[in-house]
Amino acid sequence: NAGVTQTPKFRVLKTGQSMTLLCAQDMNHEYMYWYRQDPGMGLRLIHYSVGEGTTAKGEVPDGYNVSRLKKQNFLLGLESAAPSQTSVYFCASSYGGRSSYEQYFGPGTRLTVT
Amino acid sequence: AQTVTQSQPEMSVQEAETVTLSCTYDTSESNYYLFWYKQPPSRQMILVIRQEAYKQQNATENRFSVNFQKAAKSFSLKISDSQLGDTAMYFCAFNEGNTPLVFGKGTRLSVIA
Repeated sequence: NAGVTQTPKFRVLKTGQSMTLLCAQDMNHEYMYWYRQDPGMGLRLIHYSVGEGTTAKGEVPDGYNVSRLKKQNFLLGLESAAPSQTSVYFCASSYGGRSSYEQYFGPGTRLTVT
Repeated sequence: AQTVTQSQPEMSVQEAETVTLSCTYDTSESNYYLFWYKQPPSRQMILVIRQEAYKQQNATENRFSVNFQKAAKSFSLKISDSQLGDTAMYFCAFNEGNTPLVFGKGTRLSVIA
């Protein structure tokens, strides 16, 4: 049982390049989330999904797109990377959306945009 | 809008001593959940403790306990017998109903030998 995994762990992009971050969970969770973590800002929600084929915007969705084609995978895309997107990205999943359900986090992806 | 405030950006404590991290939140709901997450230098987010708003009894997990003051919208974390392995960022988080977690900006705790 691997829990939540993220690919890649590190990446350096040039401004304007595109990339996709992959999140995978093997716990059969319905809900999945993408956060970004910046110094002094805590974790901020980018997008989330309440089930296969559904996505919703979070607090800071601009510049990102997501897809949830399979229940176990949640992809985060950057179409044209900008230096402001330099951050650590965390994926999380939970069994359901009720407050009582614990969110399980992946190990994070450190992205640098130059 | 939901907000979570951690007023202490950094704290330090001597090994074996007790430290309390503060957290306040804002909501108009009566039923919600509060969480403390730990993020050590490895960057992994680890759930430390959670509190259900409708429960008056404060949650405890071994050396970790909370002081939940619903009327004051306060949710502090007390770490007893601090250990070097407690050195980490600590995030207070909150959600209500089916909404995603909202995090505070974190408190960096250093345990000194």
